[in-house]
Amino acid sequence: DTAVSQTPKYLVTQMGNDKSIKCEQNLGHDTMYWYKQDSKKFLKIMFSYNNKELIINETVPNRFSPKSPDKAHLNLHINSLELGDSAVYFCASSLKATGDYGYTFGSGTRLTVV
Amino acid sequence: EDKVVQSPLSLVVHEGDTVTLNCSYEVTNFRSLLWYKQEKKAPTFLFMLTSSGIEKKSGRLSSILDKKELFSILNITATQTGDSAVYLCAVRGRTTDSWGKLQFGAGTQVVVTP
Repeated sequence: DTAVSQTPKYLVTQMGNDKSIKCEQNLGHDTMYWYKQDSKKFLKIMFSYNNKELIINETVPNRFSPKSPDKAHLNLHINSLELGDSAVYFCASSLKATGDYGYTFGSGTRLTVV
Repeated sequence: EDKVVQSPLSLVVHEGDTVTLNCSYEVTNFRSLLWYKQEKKAPTFLFMLTSSGIEKKSGRLSSILDKKELFSILNITATQTGDSAVYLCAVRGRTTDSWGKLQFGAGTQVVVTP
């Protein structure tokens, strides 16, 4: 059983479109995250939700809007896609936000904006 | 701002060699340092280090943390082609600003040739 699953795995879309990426975890974790990995392989946090509540909101354009309908799901909606949004987006979860807990990552969504 | 610097950025070794990867960090109120291995897709967890001088081992991999000098090393002995991957170092602070947030380094690309 996949612990953290993301869909779709690949997404190719035109500039200006709106798209969503979905994430689900079956680990019973309280906290979920979105990370962006650019072409230089840097993983940078975008958002974190703890029990459906937004706790981390880094400097991300407001075209990006996360939504957490329950603590097992964290979706990412992106409006008006730009070329610079092309990257791999990783969802992750941890048991709790505080404390010494590692992350479990999903397998990533490769977004290509053309 | 918190900073994580990994070195070298990449290296190529022969099977059987030993590699040492470095990670230096600056983080407000350090809590823990984590190592991940990233092959094609999701980063997979290797180690979490919170205390200085205590080596963690898993098979041919080991890691140690020096909180005074603010660095960690990851050793891989008797390397195999399956060790080829990007190795990521990440740190976590303990302030409320850094709830669950991992600050990643750029990674070290390791290529093991037969």
